[in-house]
Amino acid sequence: GAGVSQTPSNKVTEKGKYVELRCDPISGHTALYWYRQSLGQGPEFLIYFQGTGAADDSGLPNDRFFAVRPEGSVSTLKIQRTERGDSAVYLCASSSIGVVGYNEQFFGPGTRLTVL
Amino acid sequence: SQQGEEDPQALSIQEGENATMNCSYKTSINNLQWYRQNSGRGLVHLILIRSNEREKHSGRLRVTLDTSKKSSSLLITASRAADTASYFCATALGAGGYQKVTFGTGTKLQVIP
Repeated sequence: GAGVSQTPSNKVTEKGKYVELRCDPISGHTALYWYRQSLGQGPEFLIYFQGTGAADDSGLPNDRFFAVRPEGSVSTLKIQRTERGDSAVYLCASSSIGVVGYNEQFFGPGTRLTVL
Repeated sequence: SQQGEEDPQALSIQEGENATMNCSYKTSINNLQWYRQNSGRGLVHLILIRSNEREKHSGRLRVTLDTSKKSSSLLITASRAADTASYFCATALGAGGYQKVTFGTGTKLQVIP
């Protein structure tokens, strides 16, 4: 498929465990974004990658959250010592970067994380 | 944090009627976008309106923007059952190719066949 894919679709873990969430962006998209969406809320920005580097990580809530994109394509969001409050749907989006202005973000279906 | 607040939080209408959703935001913007999210599915970009535009149309969608009031509205005309979804406004601010997008709290629309 040509869209953004995320794996796993669902992840259930226990408090204190480590989790990794994966995002495969649309081929050729240089920009990649992670968002977190709690029940009944809009998505909240976590981090933005341009190529391999995190250009804006101002949305990461604390140092338990970390994301990488080593080859400028697939990205992994890593959460250490998970807490119940981390339970949410984690969304990934990608876009191309044009010469001028904003480029549409294409979203994946999300990973629903449940921390017991 | 959420930039926008949407009104109403929930809306239920009959098929064929028009649906209007409003969004208010707090800071300057480069553009404002509207997204749709169906239950269990990802967000879909619907329409973007730039800060120097006042109105934009796309099919059955009409978006207005009033930067002096920091508000926008989304009108869906001749609604269909398939329009049932949550709708989010999102503001974008930044320079060059990167514009940070901040979402509102959403309006849940139900269209009754």
